[in-house]
Amino acid sequence: AQSVAQPEDQVNVAEGNPLTVKCTYSVSGNPYLFWYVQYPNRGLQFLLKYITGDNLVKGSYGFEAEFNKSQTSFHLKKPSALVSDSALYFCAVRDREGSSGSARQLTFGSGTQLTVLP
Amino acid sequence: DGGITQSPKYLFRKEGQNVTLSCEQNLNHDAMYWYRQDPGQGLRLIYYSQIVNDFQKGDIAEGYSVSREKKESFPLTVTSAQKNPTAFYLCASSIPGATQWSTEAFFGQGTRLTVV
Repeated sequence: AQSVAQPEDQVNVAEGNPLTVKCTYSVSGNPYLFWYVQYPNRGLQFLLKYITGDNLVKGSYGFEAEFNKSQTSFHLKKPSALVSDSALYFCAVRDREGSSGSARQLTFGSGTQLTVLP
Repeated sequence: DGGITQSPKYLFRKEGQNVTLSCEQNLNHDAMYWYRQDPGQGLRLIYYSQIVNDFQKGDIAEGYSVSREKKESFPLTVTSAQKNPTAFYLCASSIPGATQWSTEAFFGQGTRLTVV
């Protein structure tokens, strides 16, 4: 079964500093990896995804993520955090070679609450 | 504007009642999904549908039912058999085709269901 771990429930960072939100995954085959952001009482917004190719993926609002196959990680990063980046962030995985119906669906991590302090 | 619309935004249910959450999309997406969100648990898949008139159980389907009579609509019914229905419910959709597994899902704004 595929799974995603976001080891930090909460990340605090000062405005202007770099931020990292961690994600590790487990799939039987090769992964498709996604990051989403959620603001209070709202749906999820897509930030970026890794499909194939360059391990460094750039997405919306200045976010990027680095795929590391040996460490099975897909950490979300931003060079300079903004107060408006404060939100709940979700990592998700889909097994590229999943053969059963459930394995072809997105599996989400438990989320990391990012707070950027002014 | 294209998108996914969930209604209502807030819903209150008495114990023992069935309630139906609406999800409509005008993105021409074949695949649609229902997720449940609880604090600290991320999103868990309830049901999904890859095509009209077909749907599959997700990880936590017990106490829920769905229908997919139209491409645009995927309503979720929370039945009285669901013992702990208070949660935030999210509907999503994704594009069809051979590359659908690499595509991201688009989410509605959610429905917060509370049992009173």
